[in-house]
Amino acid sequence: KAGVTQTPRYLIKTRGQQVTLSCSPISGHRSVSWYQQTPGQGLQFLFEYFSETQRNKGNFPGRFSGRQFSNSRSEMNVSTLELGDSALYLCASSLLKAGTGASYEQYFGPGTRLTVT
Amino acid sequence: AQKVTQAQTEISVVEKEDVTLDCVYETRDTTYYLFWYKQPPSGELVFLIRRNSFDEQNEISGRYSWNFQKSTSSFNFTITASQVVDSAVYFCALSLKPEGKSTFGDGTTLTVKP
Repeated sequence: KAGVTQTPRYLIKTRGQQVTLSCSPISGHRSVSWYQQTPGQGLQFLFEYFSETQRNKGNFPGRFSGRQFSNSRSEMNVSTLELGDSALYLCASSLLKAGTGASYEQYFGPGTRLTVT
Repeated sequence: AQKVTQAQTEISVVEKEDVTLDCVYETRDTTYYLFWYKQPPSGELVFLIRRNSFDEQNEISGRYSWNFQKSTSSFNFTITASQVVDSAVYFCALSLKPEGKSTFGDGTTLTVKP
């Protein structure tokens, strides 16, 4: 079974530009979460999507947005990039048990390393 | 708000030594989930264990064992007979749900030397 895939793996952008990162969850997984990892702030939750709906959102400015498609693939977008947005962006998918809302563990992708210059 | 503290920033041991990684958490909720993840140099977080707040039973999986104590709000992780391949950053995390929106500790970098 293929794991969580994220594209691209590496990205270099210039301050002020916008960027879109993509995440394909494990087949059958409908919950997708995004995290930002930086040396200074550690791992921070960005948002979570389930069935194309955002269920939770972390404390990030509105420049960070995301969406989920009907096939559970998810994208996150960062507009007007700042130097501080340089980070490893991790996506995780989960399989939710029908009817209970409970789930199995999160499976993480390899991440997209974004560098803003 | 939830908080996870991993006081040990870096630990270095020699192969075959036992090592314990500490994790202390804070939450006012009575239902919560605790996790441990391993992040090797490749960057991908690997799930190791999930424990819910109602299950204080300790768990052993091969060379790995976990000690969950609600009385001290701790969820410590022990690697027995460490190996070089155990070298990685280990994260403890807390969530109010089994999935999504986890609060992570700052991680402990474990280096196992041959």
